[in-house]
Amino acid sequence: DTAVSQTPKYLVTQMGNDKSIKCEQNLGHDTMYWYKQDSKKFLKIMFSYNNKELIINETVPNRFSPKSPDKAHLNLHINSLELGDSAVYFCASSQDDAQWGTDTQYFGPGTRLTVL
Amino acid sequence: AQSVTQLGSHVSVSEGALVLLRCNYSSSVPPYLFWYVQYPNQGLQLLLKYTSAATLVKGINGFEAEFKKSETSFHLTKPSAHMSDAAEYFCAVSAPTGTASKLTFGTGTRLQVTL
Repeated sequence: DTAVSQTPKYLVTQMGNDKSIKCEQNLGHDTMYWYKQDSKKFLKIMFSYNNKELIINETVPNRFSPKSPDKAHLNLHINSLELGDSAVYFCASSQDDAQWGTDTQYFGPGTRLTVL
Repeated sequence: AQSVTQLGSHVSVSEGALVLLRCNYSSSVPPYLFWYVQYPNQGLQLLLKYTSAATLVKGINGFEAEFKKSETSFHLTKPSAHMSDAAEYFCAVSAPTGTASKLTFGTGTRLQVTL
């Protein structure tokens, strides 16, 4: 059973298009995250939701909009895609007592986005 | 603000040799520290974490790390490398942010294991 799943695994699209990446977790966690990993493997947090409420919103262009229909899902919608958006996007989740900072974050397999 | 620095973007060891991956942290509050491993084309998997209990932390696959406050370090070690250990390793520090936990990652160290 996959704990954190993402679809699609690969996404190739043209500049200017709008695309979405879906994430689902079956761990019963309340907190979910989106991270971006660039071509140099650097990982940076983008967003975090706790029980459908936005908690962390880093300096990310407003073309990126997360949506959490329920606490098991956190989708990422990207408008007007740019070349610089090419990266691997990881979804993650953790338990709801994440305010202590000790919780393990469980990562999905990633979505490799290529913008042409 | 919290940060971690991983010394050495690429480390190569022989199979059976000691693995040492370095991580130094900077934090204004007692840190919670993590090591994650990323195998090619996969997501990140937790190896171990330090949450202010024992300073020597044992993780999966024979890895361990020691928290040294005086040196602001959390280096990852394994006594004997195996070919299957070849991967990218990330050190991270955690900061509670309301009801979420913000992980700040280092730039990663690629471990190569040779015969």
